[in-house]
Amino acid sequence: EADIYQTPRYLVIGTGKKITLECSQTMGHDKMYWYQQDPGMELHLIHYSYGVNSTEKGDLSSESTVSRIRTEHFPLTLESARPSHTSQYLCASSPGQGSYEQYFGPGTRLTVT
Amino acid sequence: GEDVEQSLFLSVREGDSSVINCTYTDSSSTYLYWYKQEPGAGLQLLTYIFSNMDMKQDQRLTVLLNKKDKHLSLCIADTQTGDSAIYFCAENEAGGYNKLIFGAGTRLAVHP
Repeated sequence: EADIYQTPRYLVIGTGKKITLECSQTMGHDKMYWYQQDPGMELHLIHYSYGVNSTEKGDLSSESTVSRIRTEHFPLTLESARPSHTSQYLCASSPGQGSYEQYFGPGTRLTVT
Repeated sequence: GEDVEQSLFLSVREGDSSVINCTYTDSSSTYLYWYKQEPGAGLQLLTYIFSNMDMKQDQRLTVLLNKKDKHLSLCIADTQTGDSAIYFCAENEAGGYNKLIFGAGTRLAVHP
């Protein structure tokens, strides 16, 4: 069982607010990822990191930003939330070093009103 | 670029076997994965297969890989109502970032 946590699980917030979605893992994984997923739909990679102080944009353009100051922590920030940001956000991590599988957190369901 | 395709929906009767299919394009993929997602939850890694294997069995789950046709199947024996979920196929992308390419998911509905 992977130990990867996301908070909050659910968030309803008004347009224009700044929000940070938290993601932490206790497995010491170097590689971490953020995906955006509309209900019942495919996953879109929006950010990833291969270690401390490294972040890259994913395949889907996103107005969010990420940081990776500590190995275990990979928060995602939206400076000004809009209704188009309403979605589920999934965080994942991977051990790397020849092991490609990713372990997912439970997700944060964000609703912007 | 790489692409992973799955049929979107499968309905089976409880107790029957389910077969979920997937095709991928990147022949250099080292591993192929099956994930399960229940409503409102994250993805759970079910099983994976190394690209030089043809088959892998894990209790009720059997993974079949046809590398020549780039075709992957997940077979669930004695399907139960608790197996109702969305199943995602994924391949690893070449490169050092452990990126996975996911299919759109197959929604499995199990009815009595």
